[in-house]
Amino acid sequence: DAMVIQNPRYQVTQFGKPVTLSCSQTLNHNVMYWYQQKSSQAPKLLFHYYDKDFNNEADTPDNFQSRRPNTSFCFLDIRSPGLGDAAMYLCATSRDRTRGYTFGSGTRLTVV
Amino acid sequence: KQEVTQIPAALSVPEGENLVLNCSFTDSAIYNLQWFRQDPGKGLTSLLLIQSSQREQTSGRLNASLDKSSGRSTLYIAASQPGDSATYLCAVDKGNTPLVFGKGTRLSVIA
Repeated sequence: DAMVIQNPRYQVTQFGKPVTLSCSQTLNHNVMYWYQQKSSQAPKLLFHYYDKDFNNEADTPDNFQSRRPNTSFCFLDIRSPGLGDAAMYLCATSRDRTRGYTFGSGTRLTVV
Repeated sequence: KQEVTQIPAALSVPEGENLVLNCSFTDSAIYNLQWFRQDPGKGLTSLLLIQSSQREQTSGRLNASLDKSSGRSTLYIAASQPGDSATYLCAVDKGNTPLVFGKGTRLSVIA
């Protein structure tokens, strides 16, 4: 089945140690998104790619970066994770925003 | 700036009841509205997508309506079951900006 896959499902990292979360899709959607969701809060958009065009939300911390090497893959890099970065990270895709968004299962990040 | 509000924040009902979840948004110039389900510790599962030209969408026991002019959508769940327990999120899309989410309604269906 066509889908959005996030790896790993759970990630534990040390305070200040760089970590990378990955997302892949078989939907061939041209738009990919990274959202951060903290407990009992709405998902908050960090970045999105429209094809290779990168869009950074104004309030996304500099500590967060993203890469999209091809249509299928997108990565979220956290250069120096702090305790406040512990959250669920959600990857999503859409096709020209006309047919809704498809989300992956998320990566739960714990910072120790 | 688009704001999305969901009421109530939490809801507990006995099994078998019909229920309505509400979503309101401040900017009626939307492209579509999407309802999602989120189980604890999991990602988002799309339930229904309503285009701006549509009034409602149905899938099984779920029915979502959209009144764009008043900035409101409802999600109706018929004959609720314990397996329906989850958080339900609505999100609006203006077409040229990414989705804006509400904070969700946490539903508990008691057997």
